[in-house]
Amino acid sequence: NAGVTQTPKFRILKIGQSMTLQCAQDMNHNYMYWYRQDPGMGLKLIYYSVGAGITDKGEVPNGYNVSRSTTEDFPLRLELAAPSQTSVYFCASSRDSYSPLHFGNGTRLTVT
Amino acid sequence: KNEVEQSPQNLTAQEGEFITINCSYSVGISALHWLQQHPGGGIVSLFMLSSGKKKHGRLIATINIQEKHSSLHITASHPRDSAVYICAVGGSQGNLIFGKGTKLSVKP
Repeated sequence: NAGVTQTPKFRILKIGQSMTLQCAQDMNHNYMYWYRQDPGMGLKLIYYSVGAGITDKGEVPNGYNVSRSTTEDFPLRLELAAPSQTSVYFCASSRDSYSPLHFGNGTRLTVT
Repeated sequence: KNEVEQSPQNLTAQEGEFITINCSYSVGISALHWLQQHPGGGIVSLFMLSSGKKKHGRLIATINIQEKHSSLHITASHPRDSAVYICAVGGSQGNLIFGKGTKLSVKP
């Protein structure tokens, strides 16, 4: 099992550009999450999904969109990138809300 | 809104020492997670608990629901334990609130 796979690992965007961060898991987990981690701060939830076709906003959803068309994939879309979106992004999955989280290796995004 | 406070923020220990990291939260939860973030950035789940105590190797996690407090203990610490340890608390939907982490450095 590969676990949770995130791509790309690094990306530099110019202000106003768009991109999609990819996340895939092969553990048949229902729950998937996108977090961002800023220096000196705890991880913040951007969006989460409890199953295919279902997504919901987290604590910091503005400027992002997600979709969950399959159980395996949970891409995060950044529209009109802004410097405030410079961060490290983590995708995670779990079997349900009472199970341990499995994290991807993260994507370091810089918006200049 | 649930607040999660960890202490200490930074901790330096000598190899072999017993280490305790604390986590306090403000409202009721369904589960508490302890995570380890390696210097390279990867995050690994160590424990998930809703009551009592769990042990895995040299790591022990305890939780006191009434006092809204959890501790992570490391016995016989080793330099490879150097990492950031993160506490997170969750509700029934699985959306977690994370502490800022405790940076542990174990010197040989």
